[in-house]
Amino acid sequence: AQTVTQSQPEMSVQEAETVTLSCTYDTSESDYYLFWYKQPPSRQMILVIRQEAYKQQNATENRFSVNFQKAAKSFSLKISDSQLGDAAMYFCAYRSPNSGYALNFGKGTSLLVTP
Amino acid sequence: DSGVTQTPKHLITATGQRVTLRCSPRSGDLSVYWYQQSLDQGLQFLIQYYNGEERAKGNILERFSAQQFPDLHSELNLSSLELGDSALYFCASSVELDGSDTQYFGPGTRLTVL
Repeated sequence: AQTVTQSQPEMSVQEAETVTLSCTYDTSESDYYLFWYKQPPSRQMILVIRQEAYKQQNATENRFSVNFQKAAKSFSLKISDSQLGDAAMYFCAYRSPNSGYALNFGKGTSLLVTP
Repeated sequence: DSGVTQTPKHLITATGQRVTLRCSPRSGDLSVYWYQQSLDQGLQFLIQYYNGEERAKGNILERFSAQQFPDLHSELNLSSLELGDSALYFCASSVELDGSDTQYFGPGTRLTVL
């Protein structure tokens, strides 16, 4: 089974600053998708951004962008101009045809945003 | 609001009991996934259905079962409950069996086994 590793259990960032959350994964597959989900205190799982492995261009969604390094199997999330509402657990996830497209999640990184 | 509904929101029961969790996917979504989130195991995939048929199984215990009905809603049945089954159970849905589509998560059902 593919392994998704988030090595930072907790991160802290000041409002308006930039923070990068790390994620690495282990796979031998060529066709897969990577995601970042946000889980605020409400516990709702919210999709932040996704990346198709076949695309070389890094995905961007407003203040959120990724650094996808396929050879290194790395998929980090950069949050720019951090806001108080960004405080949440962030989960990196992997998905592929071999797993029925179910999401395989990392352990998560808790992001604290300070004023 | 993702459009995925789950009932009940909270469930408190005793060891040895059986419960049923219900999920209604977004309108038009054919694929339903069940996930379990617990403190020690993190977020784990349990089982997936597509248009009424089971498509993939994850770390689902034999005491657990699920099904997807003709109207596409799904139920997760948990039996012979143990303390360790206490967790947040999520349902997610997507349009098709395709890696590019987005899985939309419901609000979850919080199960507490006493």
